[in-house]
This record gives sequence, C-alpha cells and structure tokens, in this order.
Amino acid sequence: NAGVTQTPKFQVLKTGQSMTLQCAQDMNHEYMSWYRQDPGMGLRLIHYSVGAGITDQGEVPNGYNVSRSTTEDFPLRLLSAAPSQTSVYFCASSYGTDNYEAFFGQGTRLTVV
Amino acid sequence: GENVEQHPSTLSVQEGDSAVIKCTYSDSASNYFPWYKQELGKRPQLIIDIRSNVGEKKDQRIAVTLNKTAKHFSLHITETQPEDSAVYFCAANDGNQFYFGTGTSLTVIP
Repeated sequence: NAGVTQTPKFQVLKTGQSMTLQCAQDMNHEYMSWYRQDPGMGLRLIHYSVGAGITDQGEVPNGYNVSRSTTEDFPLRLLSAAPSQTSVYFCASSYGTDNYEAFFGQGTRLTVV
Repeated sequence: GENVEQHPSTLSVQEGDSAVIKCTYSDSASNYFPWYKQELGKRPQLIIDIRSNVGEKKDQRIAVTLNKTAKHFSLHITETQPEDSAVYFCAANDGNQFYFGTGTSLTVIP
C-alpha cells in the first residue's frame, strides 16, 4: 500500500492564481480530511468527507473547495490564492466508525506571493 | 464545537528524565484521543491512542492517561532519548472529525 499520497510537495503561487492539491489513498478509507498547519496553531481542519459524495466544512473553509467523487481521491482547490493561505497543507484519511486512526500525507508547502 | 487545549507549548528535559504533556477537551461526545509525533519537515505520525472506555494505555516508554470526568488526557514519556525530540500533538475525535491541540515542542538534552 502507498498509504496517503499528496502532491505536489512544494508550490509557489502568485496572488489570485488558482490550483488544486491532490490527495489519494489506497486503504479504502471512508474518512478524508484537509488540514493547514501554521506555526503555533496546530492543525486546523479545512474540509472533510465521510464518504464519496459527502463533504463538509471544517474550522477554516473560506477560500477552499473540495469534492469527493471517488473513495480514493479528495482534491483541495484554492480558488484565488491569497498570501494568508501560505501554509503547510496535510491530507489525512481514516476508516471512520470504530477505527479512527488517521494517516497523513507527506504535506504540501505552499507559498503565495 | 470541540475545543482542545494543550500545555506546555515547549518542554525541555534532560536525557533519561520523564516528559508529561497535558490536554483538555470540552465536548463529552469525543471518544477517541490520539497523540501524534511530528519531526521537523515530516508528516504527523500516530504514537499512541486511547478510547473513552479506557483509563490508561501503555506502549513501552510511552503511556497515555484519560480522565473522562475532568475531560483531560496526558502523554507520558519515560527515559527520554534525543530521538524523542519533536513536536507532539494531542487530538480529540467526536466521531466525525479531529480537533487538534496546538502542539508541544519537546527537546531532549543529551
């Protein structure tokens, strides 16, 4: 198993540009989530999904969109990048009910200039 | 929603000493409490977890305790080693999502 695969690892965007961060898992996990990690603020939930076709907002959803058309994939879209979105982004997945252990992707370091 | 607070934010210990990190949570519906270790530039990795029907769990030098009544849980690392130096995060899961603490940067001084 590859686990949780997240791409790209690094990205620099100009303000106003859009992009998609990719996340895929091959563990047949129902639950998938996106977090951003900023110094001193831990991991903050952006969006999450409890299964294909179902998504919901987390703590900091503004400026981001997600979709979950398959169990395996959960892309995160930045619609119009802003410097405040400079952060490290992590995707995570877990089985869900009765087995919550979360597995993280390698992270994406995004800089918006 | 759930609120998880973690203390201290930084912790330095001598090699061989014990380290304790504490977290509190607010939502009694939370029933799963993992601890993650994150080394510099790496992804968070699970080191130990505990469910709400258990008061204590141990795995070699690492232990976690949970007090449901007081809504707090703690990570205990004994006989610390330099390779234990990292950022540690606690979290609470309410059945849908994780709520993370803000992290503790642990430094083990050789």
